[in-house]
Amino acid sequence: GAVVSQHPSWVICKSGTSVKIECRSLDFQATTMFWYRQFPKQSLMLMATSNEGSKATYEQGVEKDKFLINHASLTLSTLTVTSAHPEDSSFYICSARDETVTQYFGPGTRLTVL
Amino acid sequence: AQRVTQPEKLLSVFKGAPVELKCNYSYSGSPELFWYVQYSRQRLQLLLRHISRESIKGFTADLNKGETSFHLKKPFAQEEDSAMYYCALRGSGNTPLVFGKGTRLSVIA
Repeated sequence: GAVVSQHPSWVICKSGTSVKIECRSLDFQATTMFWYRQFPKQSLMLMATSNEGSKATYEQGVEKDKFLINHASLTLSTLTVTSAHPEDSSFYICSARDETVTQYFGPGTRLTVL
Repeated sequence: AQRVTQPEKLLSVFKGAPVELKCNYSYSGSPELFWYVQYSRQRLQLLLRHISRESIKGFTADLNKGETSFHLKKPFAQEEDSAMYYCALRGSGNTPLVFGKGTRLSVIA
């Protein structure tokens, strides 16, 4: 089946620094990828939809200047958390959609901001 | 607006007992409904989707448009079914999945 990878799986950073998270579709091309955020014991909240070659579409309440998304190729999307603060600490999950419109999920990246 | 409601945060059943995880949705058009499962320390996996009408790991779910429900059922729960289950909806135009808050199923031996 289709596989989506994320890197890193876990990152700790200091407040004020930026962190980049990569999402790759390993065995299929994904024109659309999604970024979700999951707080402990809560559901996945959609942050943004990333389309290859165009600007991402952000959900209401998500700061596009803080969460920079780049979808440079059909197999790679990146999420950069800029000037991270402790409240940005969370589990970030990406999802890639194949040609059958099925969404496959990455394993997630746990971000801890000190 | 799209909304998915899973009323139970936690559901505990004994091994061999029937299981029903409830899911209700709100959507003005014709949605696609899904069930995803997340086992401990693993990624989210697609369990089943209503359009395929198949049974996976003994689980089935029927879309009831009149009641706007998509409950997940299994006649005999197994310990390995213990996991977090999320109901999800996709509206028209290939929009992103919208998830419910999830139900943690605990199957007791």
